[in-house]
Amino acid sequence: DTGVSQNPRHKITKRGQNVTFRCDPISEHNRLYWYRQTLGQGPEFLTYFQNEAQLEKSRLLSDRFSAERPKGSFSTLEIQRTEQGDSAMYLCASSPYGARGSSYEQYFGPGTRLTVT
Amino acid sequence: GEDVEQSLFLSVREGDSSVINCTYTDSSSTYLYWYKQEPGAGLQLLTYIFSNMDMKQDQRLTVLLNKKDKHLSLRIADTQTGDSAIYFCAEPNDRGSTLGRLYFGRGTQLTVWP
Repeated sequence: DTGVSQNPRHKITKRGQNVTFRCDPISEHNRLYWYRQTLGQGPEFLTYFQNEAQLEKSRLLSDRFSAERPKGSFSTLEIQRTEQGDSAMYLCASSPYGARGSSYEQYFGPGTRLTVT
Repeated sequence: GEDVEQSLFLSVREGDSSVINCTYTDSSSTYLYWYKQEPGAGLQLLTYIFSNMDMKQDQRLTVLLNKKDKHLSLRIADTQTGDSAIYFCAEPNDRGSTLGRLYFGRGTQLTVWP
């Protein structure tokens, strides 16, 4: 079990450019979450997948953001036409399957730090 | 589950105990979590407690839960300089489609002085 991995770890881009981040969850974890964390704040939920189905998106996720998990394994998060306000740490987490009432413990990756100049 | 409150800073001397406090809002939360974040890193799951428990101990960590007051605390015994980090309390959304979505507090910055 190698844990959740994210690539790249750091990304610097100019305003208006598109960026894509990748998350590889712990194998056999069927739930995958994306969060965003800005300085001095806790992580904020962006979106969630169960297998390949994207089940919910936060209102924080504007039309410029899109996430996919095509085969129910790795996931990508794309931001189009980046803005300076998109600068943040983007965190991915995965959790194992469980019935309602399960612990849903989430294991986080190291994050991708995005800086938009 | 959207208002998880924590104090922002805590300083202790090495070897002392640290107590980090948290209040949460959703009385129906089945589990409550503590995460640790070191500078520039992701979040590490430290421990979690089921809501029908009032205490859980795991080596140097003790979690206390007061459901009546919606108060959660994390006690770290014999605090070490390596414990310096930000500690987050989190509660899940156990209802609806977003099973397990976590709501986080702003985090408590623990500084341990030698």
